[in-house]
Amino acid sequence: AQSVTQLDSQVPVFEEAPVELRCNYSSSVSVYLFWYVQYPNQGLQLLLKYLSGSTLVKGINGFEAEFNKSQTSFHLRKPSVHISDTAEYFCAVSIRNSGNTPLVFGKGTRLSVIA
Amino acid sequence: GAVVSQHPSRVICKSGTSVKIECRSLDFQATTMFWYRQFPKQSLMLMATSNEGSKATYEQGVEKDKFLINHASLTLSTLTVTSAHPEDSSFYICSAREMNTGELFFGEGSRLTVL
Repeated sequence: AQSVTQLDSQVPVFEEAPVELRCNYSSSVSVYLFWYVQYPNQGLQLLLKYLSGSTLVKGINGFEAEFNKSQTSFHLRKPSVHISDTAEYFCAVSIRNSGNTPLVFGKGTRLSVIA
Repeated sequence: GAVVSQHPSRVICKSGTSVKIECRSLDFQATTMFWYRQFPKQSLMLMATSNEGSKATYEQGVEKDKFLINHASLTLSTLTVTSAHPEDSSFYICSAREMNTGELFFGEGSRLTVL
């Protein structure tokens, strides 16, 4: 079975500062990796995903993440955050090349950007 | 991008009544849809996997007689919460897997409040 660990439940950061949200996963098979953002009372919006190829993945809103197979990590980064980035961020994993498997989510990290 | 629509977005009902939530893939066909439940400030927990034309597969601990799932077509899955109780109050989110690419798309969620 797959599992996802988001080490930080809450991350406060000042506006225009850089941020890293950590994600580690566990799986005995190859996986796809995802980061989603959720604003209050809304569904999930895909930020970025790693399927194959370059380990550095760029997403929307200036976010990027790096897949590190040896460390089984997929940390999310942004060099300069805005107030509008305040939201809940979820890391997720699914089994590679398996059509019917759902995403397994981490517990989420609440990013709070302080003016 | 592909759109998944959930309806209603918010519903309030009395204890003991049944509530139906629809999940539609608007511009693609989805052989598989997933239903998640999210408690306040928590992650998404998979409830069941819905496959078009067959019975849903429920996760351990999810009562299939209480949470009825029907996936009657390639663009529609429904979740019916039967004999709702206040503890069923939650945010329910569906996701649909695009048949050709395998990509997952999420609905905007449905907030159920049982009085």
